[in-house]
Amino acid sequence: NAGVMQNPRHLVRRRGQEARLRCSPMKGHSHVYWYRQLPEEGLKFMVYLQKENIIDESGMPKERFSAEFPKEGPSILRIQQVVRGDSAAYFCASSPKTGVYGYTFGSGTRLTVV
Amino acid sequence: QQQVKQSPQSLIVQKGGISIINCAYENTAFDYFPWYQQFPGKGPALLIAIRPDVSEKKEGRFTISFNKSAKQFSLHIMDSQPGDSATYFCAASRDGGSQGNLIFGKGTKLSVKP
Repeated sequence: NAGVMQNPRHLVRRRGQEARLRCSPMKGHSHVYWYRQLPEEGLKFMVYLQKENIIDESGMPKERFSAEFPKEGPSILRIQQVVRGDSAAYFCASSPKTGVYGYTFGSGTRLTVV
Repeated sequence: QQQVKQSPQSLIVQKGGISIINCAYENTAFDYFPWYQQFPGKGPALLIAIRPDVSEKKEGRFTISFNKSAKQFSLHIMDSQPGDSATYFCAASRDGGSQGNLIFGKGTKLSVKP
């Protein structure tokens, strides 16, 4: 019974490139949440998705960031034209229903922009 | 605007001692308060959670104390062990946790010395 799987674990991108972060939720979980953790900071909510729908994107930067959770396959967090300030750990959590109960986090993707 | 303030930023405790981490919140709509434990290179894992209808909740060596009037809550780790060395985050959510996102504190790095 695999947990929340995130890949890659580490990602290095040059400024201006695109970063794609993938999250496969736990089996039976149809709700996915993305958080960003800057150095020495707590996690900050970015977006909440269900299959094929964005439910809450109130924490997403207005530009360059997008997220999807297609009917088939993992959820993708996409960052276009990355800048140094995007360097952070990005965590995905999944749950079987709306709400923070049953939240299970993945091990994260560490993005470094050089 | 930081909605959940956590202190101290770091804490060193001797083995067998008590570790105490404090959090304060501003939004009176918050009514679900979990604590997460995070080891290096891993995602946060739920440790214990409380609702404001109780003043204390205990699970093993971990206890949450809650003061609704002061809008504060704290984590106590009794008989601290080196294996407890990790970063601890308090968090808050609205509507009893039925909302899909958590507001995190900035974290406390705990080191338990043998």
